[in-house]
Amino acid sequence: DAGVIQSPRHEVTEMGQEVTLRCKPISGHDYLFWYRQTMMRGLELLIYFNNNVPIDDSGMPEDRFSAKMPNASFSTLKIQPSEPRDSAVYFCASSHPRPGQGTTGANVLTFGAGSRLTVL
Amino acid sequence: GIQVEQSPPDLILQEGANSTLRCNFSDSVNNLQWFHQNPWGQLINLFYIPSGTKQNGRLSATTVATERYSLLYISSSQTTDSGVYFCAVYQQFNKFYFGSGTKLNVKP
Repeated sequence: DAGVIQSPRHEVTEMGQEVTLRCKPISGHDYLFWYRQTMMRGLELLIYFNNNVPIDDSGMPEDRFSAKMPNASFSTLKIQPSEPRDSAVYFCASSHPRPGQGTTGANVLTFGAGSRLTVL
Repeated sequence: GIQVEQSPPDLILQEGANSTLRCNFSDSVNNLQWFHQNPWGQLINLFYIPSGTKQNGRLSATTVATERYSLLYISSSQTTDSGVYFCAVYQQFNKFYFGSGTKLNVKP
């Protein structure tokens, strides 16, 4: 399996521009998570999906952030308009089945390589 | 939410030395994972260990769920072990809570 695939790996943009980050989860994983990592706040859960449906978006910082999962193999995180304080590494992760159940190796959270966003 | 504390925050080792990293959590958990974030930023799953002990090569982990802590052991450390080690716990509602990490620097 190719693992969780994210694109772009690096994005540099100017304040006010729209940013779209993309994620392809591991095939068969029905949970998808978006995390943000900064030096100040560490790893923060932004939103997660189950079977393509957003379950908890309480971590989304504000209305400028939106996430979609149109099908089981693709998700996007969009920031519009972007601001310098959005600069961070954004990680996508997937898991199956529900995290916390069972004892097999399938019940683990697997991360993509991350998208490093710099907003000037 | 659940509080996750990792110690030490920073650790410098000479290659070949052993180390123990600790993760304390404030409530009972259903799942616990250890991750290694390498110098390129990639988060690699090391162990899924809600309880008991597991070993993988030079690394091993022990979780004592009743006492709410987990330990990660690194033996005969190598420079490739450098990076940040995160503990993440899952309680309910599919939310993983991450510790602030232990930054390890293994010197040749």
